Amino acid sequence: SQKIEQNSEALNIQEGKTATLTCNYTNYSPAYLQWYRQDPGRGPVFLLLIRENEKEKRKERLKVTFDTTLKQSLFHITASQPADSATYLCALHTGGFKTIFGAGTRLFVKA
Amino acid sequence: DTGVSQDPRHKITKRGQNVTFRCDPISEHNRLYWYRQTLGQGPEFLTYFQNEAQLEKSRLLSDRFSAERPKGSFSTLEIQRTEQGDSAMYLCASSQTPGLSEKLFFGSGTQLSVL
Repeated sequence: SQKIEQNSEALNIQEGKTATLTCNYTNYSPAYLQWYRQDPGRGPVFLLLIRENEKEKRKERLKVTFDTTLKQSLFHITASQPADSATYLCALHTGGFKTIFGAGTRLFVKA
Repeated sequence: DTGVSQDPRHKITKRGQNVTFRCDPISEHNRLYWYRQTLGQGPEFLTYFQNEAQLEKSRLLSDRFSAERPKGSFSTLEIQRTEQGDSAMYLCASSQTPGLSEKLFFGSGTQLSVL
């Protein structure tokens, strides 16, 4: 069956460190993969998109890698800040109409 | 760009009642999606419109659920004879035609509680 797996346990890190979140998928061949941020009681907000032919994408303190052989994406936040505390969702688009979301990983950055 | 707006933000209803939610997408976006999200889970796809045409519906969408997008502008999602299992956050998202931007713009959602 098709699955998207993200760390179900919350990630707790110290301010200034790099947070690394993992997204693994099975039985999909996504045309591209996206990462979204979601704060409590709000809708997800788009952060980054990486296509199947791209290995890495950066935007300010954010970096995403995409390994279609391992079927894995890593999402990094460098120099993390308490304001980065949120749930981060991995999402796949396989070429149809649907974007499929993982359950998300909660990140807590302590000052 | 005023963003995607959803109304109401919160709805409390009794089991068996009908509820209707509204979504106003970003004006130039021709694609509109409804998702449902429960605590600790990611958004689950419910249905998709391109302009006024409903092109896909999830098997999650029982006969009690119906969605419309008249004239390809705002959309409504109606749930008839609500059940406690319908309690969730209902999210609307819009996007432009792929090739211009594949990213989804979400509203803040409607939190439904069925008592």
